[in-house]
Parts: sequence; C-alpha cells; structure tokens
Amino acid sequence: EAGVAQSPRYKIIEKRQSVAFWCNPISGHATLYWYQQILGQGPKLLIQFQNNGVVDDSQLPKDRFSAERLKGVDSTLKIQPAKLEDSAVYLCASSLLEGSGYTFGSGTRLTVV
Amino acid sequence: AQTVTQSQPEMSVQEAETVTLSCTYDTSESDYYLFWYKQPPSRQMILVIRQEAYKQQNATENRFSVNFQKAAKSFSLKISDSQLGDAAMYFCARTSGNTPLVFGKGTRLSVIA
Repeated sequence: EAGVAQSPRYKIIEKRQSVAFWCNPISGHATLYWYQQILGQGPKLLIQFQNNGVVDDSQLPKDRFSAERLKGVDSTLKIQPAKLEDSAVYLCASSLLEGSGYTFGSGTRLTVV
Repeated sequence: AQTVTQSQPEMSVQEAETVTLSCTYDTSESDYYLFWYKQPPSRQMILVIRQEAYKQQNATENRFSVNFQKAAKSFSLKISDSQLGDAAMYFCARTSGNTPLVFGKGTRLSVIA
C-alpha cells in the first residue's frame, strides 16, 4: 500500500512570511494528525482530524497556524506569519483504528530565517 | 499532563550485542497502547513494536522485544544482535482511546562496528 505522502520535503522562508504543507494519508485511514518536531525533541501533536472534522486542536497556535482537511482525505497545514521558533519538522500521520499505530510521512523540514 | 519519559538521551552498543532502551510513562487510564518508533536520518517514523496494556505477554518482533511492567508504568525496548542499520533515534509513545500518541524525547542509539 502507498504510504503517507507529504510535500514539500524542505522549505526555507523568512520570518513573517507564510508557508503551507500538504499531506495525503493512506487510503481509507479516517484519522489524520499533524505533529511538530523541534530539533532534539519528540513530536508534539498540533491537530487531529477524524474524517474532515477536528477532534483535537488544543495545542495548535491558532493565531498563526491553521489546518484543514477537505473531503476527509488530503490536508494542508498553514503558518502565517512564521516566526523563528516555528523552525521544525512537520510530520503528518494517519491511522485506521484505535491502538493500531500511526503511519507517518517523511515530514517537511521548515527553516525560518 | 500524561507524559512519556525517556531518561537516556544517548546510548551506544557494539555490533551483534544487546542493548536496552528505557521508557516510563504516566497515565490514569487502564486501557492504552504503547509503542516504540525508530526515526533514522530520513526523518520518517517507523513503527518498531506495539504493546496493548491489557496483555500480560511482552511483545516481540524478530530482534526487538519489550519488557512491559504495567504496575511500574515501565516499557523498555531490547534490541538483540544489534546491526549497523539499527542506529537511529528511538521514541517511546503512548496512546489511548481518548488521547492521540504522546511521545518521549527520544534516545539516540549508535551502533559501533
């Protein structure tokens, strides 16, 4: 089966610019997650979708971050405006069932200068 | 907050030897799942092994096994016959029906030829 697809692989932007990341989960996986992984740390959940509805966005900085999942398939994560501390790897994951483990994409490495 | 703690930032092991990575967690739930993920430099998180909390038997996947101590809330990973390809960051993670995956800070494993 195809894995979780993410693009772009790398992105460098200046602070205060905007950026968007795209994720295509495994076909049939209803749940989709976006994680932020700062260098030297474990991934931290930003937002969880069930189909096209938001389940948990309590840790999403809503003043600058937004995410959507149209038609319950692909998802985009946007940052506007970016700050230096947003430099991180952004990982997308999807899952089929509770407890089945998540399948992760290769992530997008964002550098804000 | 329900946390996952990995107390070893770095570990090293000789090729063909055995190494154990430690993990403890905090949870108020009785039903949950525990995972070990491997993250090589390619950044993709790869599921290594999975344990259901209601199962007494420790999970095993080829050279990888866990020591799950539910009362102590401990979940260590043992890698036997270590190979050069095992070198990576290893993350312990926990999830339940109510919460998505929560990760520890990771342990960097080096394998010495």
